[in-house]
Amino acid sequence: AQSVSQHNHHVILSEAASLELGCNYSYGGTVNLFWYVQYPGQHLQLLLKYFSGDPLVKGIKGFEAEFIKSKFSFNLRKPSVQWSDTAEYFCAVNGDSGTYKYIFGTGTRLKVLA
Amino acid sequence: DAGITQSPRHKVTETGTPVTLRCHQTENHRYMYWYRQDPGHGLRLIHYSYGVKDTDKGEVSDGYSVSRSKTEDFLLTLESATSSQTSVYFCAISDPGGAYEQYFGPGTRLTVT
Repeated sequence: AQSVSQHNHHVILSEAASLELGCNYSYGGTVNLFWYVQYPGQHLQLLLKYFSGDPLVKGIKGFEAEFIKSKFSFNLRKPSVQWSDTAEYFCAVNGDSGTYKYIFGTGTRLKVLA
Repeated sequence: DAGITQSPRHKVTETGTPVTLRCHQTENHRYMYWYRQDPGHGLRLIHYSYGVKDTDKGEVSDGYSVSRSKTEDFLLTLESATSSQTSVYFCAISDPGGAYEQYFGPGTRLTVT
């Protein structure tokens, strides 16, 4: 069965600090990978996605993620965070092609201090 | 934002009562999903639908049923609500031609007392 692990449950950073959130998945086949963000009181929104090709994916708001197949990882990065990045971040995997089922990680709460 | 609405947005109900949550989309997307979001658990899939009258179970389907009689509507029913079903419920949609991206509704906060 597929699973997704997000190792950092809570992260606190100061503005301008660099961010890296870990995401590891378990699935032996072809995967589609996603990072979603949920701002306080809002619904989930897509940050970026990976299907194939260049393993370094750039998303909105300066976020990027790198797919490392050998490590089953898809870590999210941002060189310099802002107070407005305070949110919860979810990694998700769709690796069961044909059923369109998605598995989400437990999320990482990021708090950025002004 | 994708055209997804959920109703009601907030509901308080008593243990043992039936509850139905509605998800309505205007995007004509084929796939629809119901998730619950709980602290420490992230989002967990309850049920999903891959077409009208075609549904399948997710990882936490016990105590829930779904129906989809029209492309635009996906109903989630708690036959007899329990306190463990207190949660925030999100509907999502996706489409084979939409590059696998899921779009989420605004959520329904359900409290079972």
